[in-house]
Amino acid sequence: EVQLVESGGGLVQPGGSLRLSCAASGFTFSNFWLSWVRQAPGKGLEWVANINQDESEKYYVDSVKGRFTISRDNAKNSLYLQMNSLRAEDTAVYYCARNSGSYYEAGRKYYYYYMDVWGKGTTVTVSS
Amino acid sequence: EIMMTQSPATLSVSPGERATLSCRASQSVSSDLAWYQQKPGQAPRLLIYGASSRATGIPARFSGSGSGTEFTLTISSLQSEDFAVYYCQQYNNWPLTFGGGTKVEIK
Repeated sequence: EVQLVESGGGLVQPGGSLRLSCAASGFTFSNFWLSWVRQAPGKGLEWVANINQDESEKYYVDSVKGRFTISRDNAKNSLYLQMNSLRAEDTAVYYCARNSGSYYEAGRKYYYYYMDVWGKGTTVTVSS
Repeated sequence: EIMMTQSPATLSVSPGERATLSCRASQSVSSDLAWYQQKPGQAPRLLIYGASSRATGIPARFSGSGSGTEFTLTISSLQSEDFAVYYCQQYNNWPLTFGGGTKVEIK
């Protein structure tokens, strides 16, 4: 069964740090782009960050640039999100998600960044 | 940043009726548009990608259309399990962006 399981959420004070993990199983982890997506209480979905297969490409939403770092360990089938300088507005459920789809053009492989597999999420609360 | 605008915010529909949800992009995203369904307390589920391709296991009553800046998700005959929030997402440009969602509720 294809599965993603997040962990590492919790209560942290403003200015603090937290590291989220996402354990993958049931598919060849190293073949896929991966995402972190968050959802504040009662709000919609917000994309946070993306990483490619060998960590050579990373993208972030502006609001977390310089504070959050996405990384992965293909040997451990794991995705991470290091969150520093946390703010109240970072309070949310954080989901990891697998990106799927690719195509070839002029001999080069390109990827699509829609999310076909999601974890159940881990909750991060930033409060004093 | 490409802004995604969904309408209406809430759609009240009776079971068995047709539901039509709209998603508009602030600039062209070609066909790089996905739709997700989210039920309370659950993670989102991929319904449609490439604007019109159904994801694995998604019933045929769900269909997507559009390209460029205007997209539509149609649920042909609403079942009880379809009452949920639906989000569109563009993946044509960074940053990836979601619409604000449409809640489909029982009329």
